[in-house]
Formats: sequence, C-alpha cells, structure tokens
Amino acid sequence: AQSVSQHNHHVILSEAASLELGCNYSYGGTVNLFWYVQYPGQHLQLLLKYFSGDPLVKGIKGFEAEFIKSKFSFNLRKPSVQWSDTAEYFCAVILEYDKIIFGKGTRLHILP
Amino acid sequence: DGGITQSPKYLFRKEGQNVTLSCEQNLNHDAMYWYRQDPGQGLRLIYYSQIVNDFQKGDIAEGYSVSREKKESFPLTVTSAQKNPTAFYLCASSTGGSGNTIYFGEGSWLTVV
Repeated sequence: AQSVSQHNHHVILSEAASLELGCNYSYGGTVNLFWYVQYPGQHLQLLLKYFSGDPLVKGIKGFEAEFIKSKFSFNLRKPSVQWSDTAEYFCAVILEYDKIIFGKGTRLHILP
Repeated sequence: DGGITQSPKYLFRKEGQNVTLSCEQNLNHDAMYWYRQDPGQGLRLIYYSQIVNDFQKGDIAEGYSVSREKKESFPLTVTSAQKNPTAFYLCASSTGGSGNTIYFGEGSWLTVV
C-alpha cells in the first residue's frame, strides 16, 4: 500500500540550530511532493512543493527540500531555525491518480 | 474570492446520529478530498473524488459516506457506524493531473457526545 513516513514524531532544537526532517514515501510511479506547516491554532499552510525539474526546491521562510528519487525521499531542511518555526510539519504526496497521502506529522519545538 | 468553504465549523451530535459536513469550492477544481486529523495521526484520507459522480475510498472510509453530484460540492456523512467520530475534518480540492496544488478548507470540528 502507498504510504508516507515521517521519521521523527517530535523534534526539539535550540534557536539557530540546523533542521532536517525526514520524509519517505512508498510508491513506484510519478509523484508530486509537498511540505505543509501547521502553526499552533492555525490551519495548514504550504511550505514548498516539487512537481518536476530541479530536485532542490526552495520554499517560504528559508525552508528547502530535496527530492531524491532513488531513495523515495523528500527531506525538509532549514540552516538556522527560529523560535517562530515551532509548529507541526506534514509531508504529502500526490499519486498519479490524484490520491493525496499525508505523513503523520513531525512536531517541531524550538527553544528560545 | 475563490476558495473552499466548510460548514459548520463546530458541530455537536449525540451518539447514534448521522451528521453531514458540507464542503463547497468555487475554484473549478475537479478533485476533492476529505481528511480526518487526529493528534499524532496526521491527516488520514477518508474519501476522494476525481470527477463528478465518481469517488473512491481512502484509507479510513468505514463509517463514512460521500456524494459528488456537483463539481463544486462534496459532502461527507459521518454515520452511526463510525466508531470514533469525534475529530477535526478537513476538506481539500486540487486541479488534478500533474502540477496540481492542494487547497484546504478551514475544517469542521465534530464532537459526538
């Protein structure tokens, strides 16, 4: 069955630390990939997306993600996190037939 | 403004009652989705529809039903067969095909007492 795995359920970092959140998917066909963020008490917001082309995509607020097809991965990175990055992050995959699958989310807590 | 409208935002129901959550979009999107969001579970797909008069079960369809009689509308019925219906429900839509982007409604909180 198709699935999206986010390796870390809860991550705690200090401000200015570097961040990498893992995302792997299980599907052999063509996919579109997304990272969404949900700040406390707010709705889902799109951070970045990959459809085709350069596998390194840049999103809002200094986030970027790299699509590695051979590893079925789409890890999210940020060189230096801020306290305001405290949120829950979701990786999502759109399969060829429009089915959209989300990971279980990673709660990121940044210590000031 | 174009977007997705979910209603009601908050809903309380007694156990054993069916309840229908509304989702309307004016984005002219072909594909629509219903998700359920629970703490630690992420967003789990209940049903999705690629086109009018057609829909497919997602990963947790048991106890739910949907219809897609119009392109802009995709109501979700939470039936009494759903064992744990209290949750936050999100409706989404996309253009479908490659290069599509997902748009979300603001969600509906359902509490069954």
